[in-house]
Amino acid sequence: EAGVTQFPSHSVIEKGQTVTLRCDPISGHDNLYWYRRVMGKEIKFLLHFVKESKQDESGMPNNRFLAERTGGTYSTLKVQPAELEDSGVYFCASSPRARGWTGELFFGEGSRLTVL
Amino acid sequence: AQSVTQLGSHVSVSEGALVLLRCNYSSSVPPYLFWYVQYPNQGLQLLLKYTTGATLVKGINGFEAEFKKSETSFHLTKPSAHMSDAAEYFCAVGETGFQKLVFGTGTRLLVSP
Repeated sequence: EAGVTQFPSHSVIEKGQTVTLRCDPISGHDNLYWYRRVMGKEIKFLLHFVKESKQDESGMPNNRFLAERTGGTYSTLKVQPAELEDSGVYFCASSPRARGWTGELFFGEGSRLTVL
Repeated sequence: AQSVTQLGSHVSVSEGALVLLRCNYSSSVPPYLFWYVQYPNQGLQLLLKYTTGATLVKGINGFEAEFKKSETSFHLTKPSAHMSDAAEYFCAVGETGFQKLVFGTGTRLLVSP
């Protein structure tokens, strides 16, 4: 069974440009999460999808970030325009929809974003 | 608000030595507690978790952690380190009502021969 896959693994862009990160969750996982780790700090929650619906987007930094989940399958996270402080590693995670939250998430390897 | 503190961004041990990675949390409600591990060039994976019940939790690869409510701690231990344990370890706390994890800053474990 394929794990969570993220693309690209590394992106280097200029300040003001646009970048789109993609995440393919494990097949059948209704829950999809985005997290971000900036400069060796803690991994911070960005948002949570249940199927195609945004369940919680309280961690999104500002309106330069837009997340979508088409048809409840893969998800994209667009940053437009990118700023220097957006540099970091963006992790996607998924989990099955089960009765009761278990907290066990399946993470991808992350997409490293560098904004120059 | 919940928070997690991991003491020591780097911990170095010799192969065969005891591994102790410290984690303290703050939570206003009974927490769910987790340790995740990230090996080089891989995603994070769950090492072990505490939800309810027995306070000593065993995980994969010989690791275990003990939930101590009075100390608000969830330290991770392994009796004998192996070279393959070299990785970054993250402690996290979660609340069922919100379905999200709050992570600590991570501790990189270095194992020397």
